[in-house]
Amino acid sequence: EAEVAQSPRYKITEKSQAVAFWCDPISGHATLYWYRQILGQGPELLVQFQDESVVDDSQLPKDRFSAERLKGVDSTLKIQPAELGDSAMYLCASSLDVGEQYFGPGTRLTVT
Amino acid sequence: AQSVTQPDIHITVSEGASLELRCNYSYGATPYLFWYVQSPGQGLQLLLKYFSGDTLVQGIKGFEAEFKRSQSSFNLRKPSVHWSDAAEYFCAVGAGGNTPLVFGKGTRLSVIA
Repeated sequence: EAEVAQSPRYKITEKSQAVAFWCDPISGHATLYWYRQILGQGPELLVQFQDESVVDDSQLPKDRFSAERLKGVDSTLKIQPAELGDSAMYLCASSLDVGEQYFGPGTRLTVT
Repeated sequence: AQSVTQPDIHITVSEGASLELRCNYSYGATPYLFWYVQSPGQGLQLLLKYFSGDTLVQGIKGFEAEFKRSQSSFNLRKPSVHWSDAAEYFCAVGAGGNTPLVFGKGTRLSVIA
């Protein structure tokens, strides 16, 4: 069964350092989402791509976060510089066109 | 704006007992509703979804949910809980198509012997 891949699974970084997360969606899924999940909360959307175009990045802190999906397939989410409050699970999801989203295993980020 | 409320932060049930997890949503049009389950340190797995049609939907692992438009609810049920069901459960609402999902804060389920 096809799955969404994410790496790394865990990342520990110091405050003010740069970090990057990678996501490979299910083959053929044109829509890709990055969500952030703070401990004890539900996921919240950071950015949505349709193919290589950003559809919604209204909740992305653009002063420090960036996201790209250059060829409309895999995607990278970057944080620079990382802050203590960025400690969270970063989830990637992909979908076709009927609203059902498939999630990857996530990247657990700890900022010290 | 869409919103989801899961009133119960934590529920404990005995193995073999029935389970109902509550979910209330706020959305002006016909919602697309989902239940996801998350084991510790893992991603989210889709249990079931409601788009239209029969208001009682069946999902994986023996779960079902009922859409009640009059109550703006989409409660998740299971007749007999297994120890492996212990996890975090999230209700989510969407507007259909490729719109992002809005999630509730989740309900943590503990199962005791």
